[in-house]
Amino acid sequence: GAGVSQSPSNKVTEKGKDVELRCDPISGHTALYWYRQSLGQGLEFLIYFQGNSAPDKSGLPSDRFSAERTGGSVSTLTIQRTQQEDSAVYLCASSLAPSYGYTFGSGTRLTVV
Amino acid sequence: KQEVTQIPAALSVPEGENLVLNCSFTDSAIYNLQWFRQDPGKGLTSLLLIQSSQREQTSGRLNASLDKSSGRSTLYIAASQPGDSATYLCAVISDMRFGAGTRLTVKP
Repeated sequence: GAGVSQSPSNKVTEKGKDVELRCDPISGHTALYWYRQSLGQGLEFLIYFQGNSAPDKSGLPSDRFSAERTGGSVSTLTIQRTQQEDSAVYLCASSLAPSYGYTFGSGTRLTVV
Repeated sequence: KQEVTQIPAALSVPEGENLVLNCSFTDSAIYNLQWFRQDPGKGLTSLLLIQSSQREQTSGRLNASLDKSSGRSTLYIAASQPGDSATYLCAVISDMRFGAGTRLTVKP
C-alpha cells in the first residue's frame, strides 16, 4: 500500500478483555516495529520484526502482550486480559530494511475502561 | 543500552525566529538518525533522515546535522511559523530508540 495502515483507529475495551491491533506495512518493507505512547510520554519500543521473525521483543511489558507477523506483511499485536495501564496509543512503523528510515501509521488509540 | 535525550522539553518562540532543537545519544556507534514531527493526536511524520556517513541533511527551512563523535544531532528551523508548532522527536533508528521530544510553540 501507499502508507502504513493501522486498524482500528480507536478501540475502547473493558478491563480483562483481549484486544487485537493490526498493522499493514508498506508493500516491500521487510522490517516492522511496534511502539507504545502513553499520554504525554515518549515512544516506548515494544517489538521489532524482520520478515516473520522477531529478533527483538525485549520491550513487551508482560506476557499478556504478544505479536506476530505473517507472510512478511501484516502484523497483529495482541493484548490479553487488558488493564487500565494498557491505555495508550499503539504505533506501528515499517522500513525497507533494518536501520532504514521509518514510516509510521496513524496509530490505534486504546482505552481500557 | 542506547539512551536518547532531547533538550529542551518545551520551547516557545515568536514567529520568524530561527531555532535549534537538540538531540543527544549515549552510544556513538549509530547507523542513522531520523527526525520526526508529531502533531497533537496524530502519528509521526518523517522530516529528515541522516545516514552515519553524512553530516547534515536539508529540506526547505529545516536542516539537521549529525556529529557522531560528540553524540549529538541538531535540528535547525529557519524563520519559524505558527504552523511549525508541534512536538519534534529524534530517533536513533539502528537502536530503535526515541527521545522524549521537544514541544515547540511558535507564537504569531
